[in-house]
Amino acid sequence: IAGITQAPTSQILAAGRRMTLRCTQDMRHNAMYWYRQDLGLGLRLIHYSNTAGTTGKGEVPDGYSVSRANTDDFPLTLASAVPSQTSVYFCASSDSGTSDRDEQFFGPGTRLTVL
Amino acid sequence: GQNIDQPTEMTATEGAIVQINCTYQTSGFNGLFWYQQHAGEAPTFLSYNVLDGLEEKGRFSSFLSRSKGYSYLLLKELQMKDSASYLCAVVDSNYQLIWGAGTKLIIKP
Repeated sequence: IAGITQAPTSQILAAGRRMTLRCTQDMRHNAMYWYRQDLGLGLRLIHYSNTAGTTGKGEVPDGYSVSRANTDDFPLTLASAVPSQTSVYFCASSDSGTSDRDEQFFGPGTRLTVL
Repeated sequence: GQNIDQPTEMTATEGAIVQINCTYQTSGFNGLFWYQQHAGEAPTFLSYNVLDGLEEKGRFSSFLSRSKGYSYLLLKELQMKDSASYLCAVVDSNYQLIWGAGTKLIIKP
């Protein structure tokens, strides 16, 4: 593994189903993030974690949950998917999460379609 | 509220120079990033500014004026591979990134 990986690459999901998007980083970064990217809108933060064992809500957390059991993994769960959750989801990580010049590194993204 | 404004789309000619502007109004300011995002790919880091002035890195330069809430990304000697979206993001008072919607840059031969 080099950098950040996400799985699956893409998924079509029936509304009401549960889905977990996986994210793993091997850079030993403390902070990790989940964003969604929709056409015409900027990246919007869903949830974040500044260190293993802690998580926080971003701008658009409703309908999503996360956990951070260890440094490397940061899964995002949709408990009951709805069509408005159709989007491209990016996982990112950074060294600190609590400093200014804290470059975020992004995974390749998961394209999710909820029907 | 927090707001980042960038032009939606710009077109430029191969070999030319283009300037992409970004204006912001955020709760606090701890720096500004520019990222590049090719279609279907992840964003990648281009530059970071926290002090006023111009930061030059090869063909790309980034400028910041904190008093005006303004930044620009300058791309010189444009190449076809520079066709991408360019994302402006501000680090707010909670050290979270607030992202603009991005500027799609189209390069024509």
